[in-house]
Amino acid sequence: QQQVKQSPQSLIVQKGGISIINCAYENTAFDYFPWYQQFPGKGPALLIAIRPDVSEKKEGRFTISFNKSAKQFSLHIMDSQPGDSATYFCAAYSSSNTGKLIFGQGTTLQVKP
Amino acid sequence: DVKVTQSSRYLVKRTGEKVFLECVQDMDHENMFWYRQDPGLGLRLIYFSYDVKMKEKGDIPEGYSVSREKKERFSLILESASTNQTSMYLCASSSVPNTEAFFGQGTRLTVV
Repeated sequence: QQQVKQSPQSLIVQKGGISIINCAYENTAFDYFPWYQQFPGKGPALLIAIRPDVSEKKEGRFTISFNKSAKQFSLHIMDSQPGDSATYFCAAYSSSNTGKLIFGQGTTLQVKP
Repeated sequence: DVKVTQSSRYLVKRTGEKVFLECVQDMDHENMFWYRQDPGLGLRLIYFSYDVKMKEKGDIPEGYSVSREKKERFSLILESASTNQTSMYLCASSSVPNTEAFFGQGTRLTVV
């Protein structure tokens, strides 16, 4: 019930294309859904996050779509660039669970020039 | 600039050794975490601490223990290192109610 399932494991997209990464969860107590971006040799860093009271959040080329009834959320990267090549993790958090942050399995994105 | 610092980037230890991984944060955060990162498995929570001397097991605590004697420092201990503990270890911290977690750069541990 604490799991967050992420797909695909890897993704190759041409420059200018749209990258889409999907996540699903079971625990309805989750109330904060962040996405983290990790470059090689670095720790993950927060990219964008959403709370379940909205269905979409956009920051520049990055958009989270959230479907509360389906318990799914996804990251869309518009106009993907080679600099977006990284590993992306979705995560979920429950404010009733003393700050425990649960991560998905990760998606390695490669954007080809 | 916020900072989470892990004491080593790379470590090589022998099977059976006791290993200490240290993490320090300078943001006065209440929460600190240790994750293990393996390809295809994502970030798996080993332990986390929500206050000094308070700890809670994560998803994979077996073979590990932790210590948090001061708010800024969270240590991960491998009591008797084994080859299946070869991995990347990531420390993170966050503050309630702001839930953004800040990560260190990781420690790549190899147990031989």
